[in-house]
Amino acid sequence: DAGVIQSPRHEVTEMGQEVTLRCKPISGHDYLFWYRQTMMRGLELLIYFNNNVPIDDSGMPEDRFSAKMPNASFSTLKIQPSEPRDSAVYFCASSPGVYNSPLHFGNGTRLTVT
Amino acid sequence: KQEVTQIPAALSVPEGENLVLNCSFTDSAIYNLQWFRQDPGKGLTSLLLIQSSQREQTSGRLNASLDKSSGRSTLYIAASQPGDSATYLCAVRAGNFNKFYFGSGTKLNVKP
Repeated sequence: DAGVIQSPRHEVTEMGQEVTLRCKPISGHDYLFWYRQTMMRGLELLIYFNNNVPIDDSGMPEDRFSAKMPNASFSTLKIQPSEPRDSAVYFCASSPGVYNSPLHFGNGTRLTVT
Repeated sequence: KQEVTQIPAALSVPEGENLVLNCSFTDSAIYNLQWFRQDPGKGLTSLLLIQSSQREQTSGRLNASLDKSSGRSTLYIAASQPGDSATYLCAVRAGNFNKFYFGSGTKLNVKP
């Protein structure tokens, strides 16, 4: 089991640039979650998918953020245009579809927008 | 709406002490509760998962309990070590859409 795989591990970009974060969930997991973590706000749920369908995107902060899950093994979180306040660690997590299953996290992508 | 609270926000203890971290949640209709550990600059590592029908789970020096009726869980760490220093988060899985609700964490420092 390779676990949840995120790329890149670190991303440094200039304000205004487009940023794409990638996630490969654990095979067979039906749920995929995108979180953002900052010192000020802690861990925030941005969006999550069930069977590749977005279920709740109420945590997406602005229209600059978008997420897709074109298939069961891949998801992207895109920020366009990026701003310095988007600097944070972005985590992807996945879980099996059974309601009492645990959540598994990736190692995160540390994003710095200058 | 489910809300998860962790108290205290930070805790500092000398090595060797037994300690308890607390987690409370407002809606007892949960599927499970999970404890995580996060080291600085790292991801979240799952420590223990307690199903809603269970009262406790143990792994090594860690013991987690669950009291659904009172909306509380505790994580007991026996004989603490400096390597236990980290932030500990709890999360409950609940609701029609199987969401996970996180507490803000307890930052633990175990002094040598």
